[in-house]
Amino acid sequence: QQQVKQSPQSLIVQKGGIPIINCAYENTAFDYFPWYQQFPGKGPALLIAIRPDVSEKKEGRFTISFNKSAKQFSLHIMDSQPGDSATYFCAASRYSSASKIIFGSGTRLSIRP
Amino acid sequence: DTGVSQDPRHKITKRGQNVTFRCDPISEHNRLYWYRQTLGQGPEFLTYFQNEAQLEKSRLLSDRFSAERPKGSFSTLEIQRTEQGDSAMYLCASSFSRGGTEAFFGQGTRLTVV
Repeated sequence: QQQVKQSPQSLIVQKGGIPIINCAYENTAFDYFPWYQQFPGKGPALLIAIRPDVSEKKEGRFTISFNKSAKQFSLHIMDSQPGDSATYFCAASRYSSASKIIFGSGTRLSIRP
Repeated sequence: DTGVSQDPRHKITKRGQNVTFRCDPISEHNRLYWYRQTLGQGPEFLTYFQNEAQLEKSRLLSDRFSAERPKGSFSTLEIQRTEQGDSAMYLCASSFSRGGTEAFFGQGTRLTVV
C-alpha cells in the first residue's frame, strides 16, 4: 500500500528554471511532511519540512506548498542550479510520536547548465 | 565524524548465507531506524528502536530478518538465508524521540546477493 504518492518520476529542467515535484498522501493521521534530498552513494538528507497548520514554507530557494483539504503538497526549487541535481523524496510521518517516516518513490531531478 | 556510521559499505554474499550489518548512530540520539531502499525507489521502513527497545517492525521484516540494539547504542541487522530479493541498500537513521526532530541517515550498506 503506497501511502505517499510522488510525481513525476524524473524531471529535467534548464538552469534557472523552477522544478516542481508533487506528492499526495492518504493517511490523515500524518501531520509532518519532510522533503529529503539524496545524492548518489549517500543517504537521504533533510531539506525542508512542513506541518499542515501552514500552507507554505520557504527556506532559501526551496518552497513547500501544502493543501490540507486535497491532501497534497509540493516542492518548488527557485533559480535551480546544476548542483541541485539529485533524487528528491517527499515523506510523511506523525509529528508527535517521531515515529517511522513513510517515503514517496522519489523524483530524479537533473538541472541542465 | 559525528554522523551516522554504517559498516560495511558494500557486501556481496552468496544466496543462502547469513549477513550482519552494523549501525552506529549519533551518540545523543535515542531513536534508531532501519530502512531498505531498492533501485529507483524510496526507502521502506523496516524497524525502529527507542534506546534498546524495538518499538515497531514492518511486515517487510520477515522471520529471516532480526535487528538488535543492545545497551541502546549501536544496532545490528542480520539477514539469515539470504535470497536474491534481499539485494538492496540498507539504511540506518537516528534521531531524538521528540516530535519533528530530524532523522539523520547513514550512507547505507549495499547488499548484493548472487
